[in-house]
Amino acid sequence: EAQVTQNPRYLITVTGKKLTVTCSQNMNHEYMSWYRQDPGLGLRQIYYSMNVEVTDKGDVPEGYKVSRKEKRNFPLILESPSPNQTSLYFCASTDTGANVLTFGAGSRLTVL
Amino acid sequence: AQSVSQHNHHVILSEAASLELGCNYSYGGTVNLFWYVQYPGQHLQLLLKYFSGDPLVKGIKGFEAEFIKSKFSFNLRKPSVQWSDTAEYFCAANTGFQKLVFGTGTRLLVSP
Repeated sequence: EAQVTQNPRYLITVTGKKLTVTCSQNMNHEYMSWYRQDPGLGLRQIYYSMNVEVTDKGDVPEGYKVSRKEKRNFPLILESPSPNQTSLYFCASTDTGANVLTFGAGSRLTVL
Repeated sequence: AQSVSQHNHHVILSEAASLELGCNYSYGGTVNLFWYVQYPGQHLQLLLKYFSGDPLVKGIKGFEAEFIKSKFSFNLRKPSVQWSDTAEYFCAANTGFQKLVFGTGTRLLVSP
């Protein structure tokens, strides 16, 4: 089944403890992106990647890092999480010709 | 800056009522437009999209949207809603797949 898989789905952590949210897609998509969803703010793009080793900042990149060493994986790294990063995170991917995002199931992160 | 506005934050309807959710965008030039739906506890799914051609676009589950270029609008409609349409609806736009901008979302509650 074509899908975007995120892990973990739920995580509670404490301020400053590094964490990684993994994202993997099995559709051979070139483009991948991370969004965060907050009440009243909709979805805001954190980082995106056009292909392997090509990443760029979205609208809210502060406090996050990403890497794209393989086409299928696009992990989101929070080096020193803070409470304002408590949010629902979505990974998405698309074929560059299709321009329609496929979303993962979401990862709900709480930073205490 | 490019933006997408959804003016209805919460909508409550009875089953069989007609639905229209407003969406306005601020892009100049050629724009791609999308409506996504997020059912409770689930990830975003594409309802419909407009890239070019017929400005009246039909999507899944009986939804449709009309692109009105002169009004910078892409309103979502459904003639008769069902309880199962209870969800959050997001309008989104881009001029290239790397910069999909979402509106803040509209929560629809359909009462039986």
